[in-house]
Amino acid sequence: NAGVTQTPKFRVLKTGQSMTLLCAQDMNHEYMYWYRQDPGMGLRLIHYSVGEGTTAKGEVPDGYNVSRLKKQNFLLGLESAAPSQTSVYFCASSYGEGNQEDTQYFGPGTRLTVL
Amino acid sequence: LAKTTQPISMDSYEGQEVNITCSHNNIATNDYITWYQQFPSQGPRFIIQGYKTKVTNEVASLFIPADRKSSTLSLPRVSLSDTAVYYCLVGAPNYGGSQGNLIFGKGTKLSVKP
Repeated sequence: NAGVTQTPKFRVLKTGQSMTLLCAQDMNHEYMYWYRQDPGMGLRLIHYSVGEGTTAKGEVPDGYNVSRLKKQNFLLGLESAAPSQTSVYFCASSYGEGNQEDTQYFGPGTRLTVL
Repeated sequence: LAKTTQPISMDSYEGQEVNITCSHNNIATNDYITWYQQFPSQGPRFIIQGYKTKVTNEVASLFIPADRKSSTLSLPRVSLSDTAVYYCLVGAPNYGGSQGNLIFGKGTKLSVKP
């Protein structure tokens, strides 16, 4: 199993450009999450999903949109990138309902720079 | 949400036992306590989880007192490769707990010296 994978690994954008980050998991997890991590900071939750077709806002959702059209994929979109969105983005997934431990499995991260 | 408080940083030497304590005074009845480890340029990795008393696995031990208002992650005989940031999270949305398991905070930066 590949676990949680993220595409791309690195990306440089100009202010105002748009892009989509792809997260895929092959563990049949119900829940998926997008976090961002800035230097010297912990992870902050952007959006999450508790199942196919559902999404919910996290701690810092502004400037991002997400979609969960397939259970194994969770997409994070930036419609108009800003320098403040320069960060490392981590995707995670967990078993969700029916599993009381619900620990998260993380991807390797995407390093995004907005100029 | 059950807010957690843990030291910003800790130093240790190889071969020593390291104990990192996390405070979570308003933990909910159904909340679990979960610890993650993060190396530079990598995503966090699950270390250990518990509800009460003591849990031990091949990597660490987790001590939880009866009132569950704090927990201690114990790393036996640390090595240089244990240098990382350690996060304490509290929550369990699946079973009526809070969503604190989604709040990572800044964690504790452990530096192990030779």
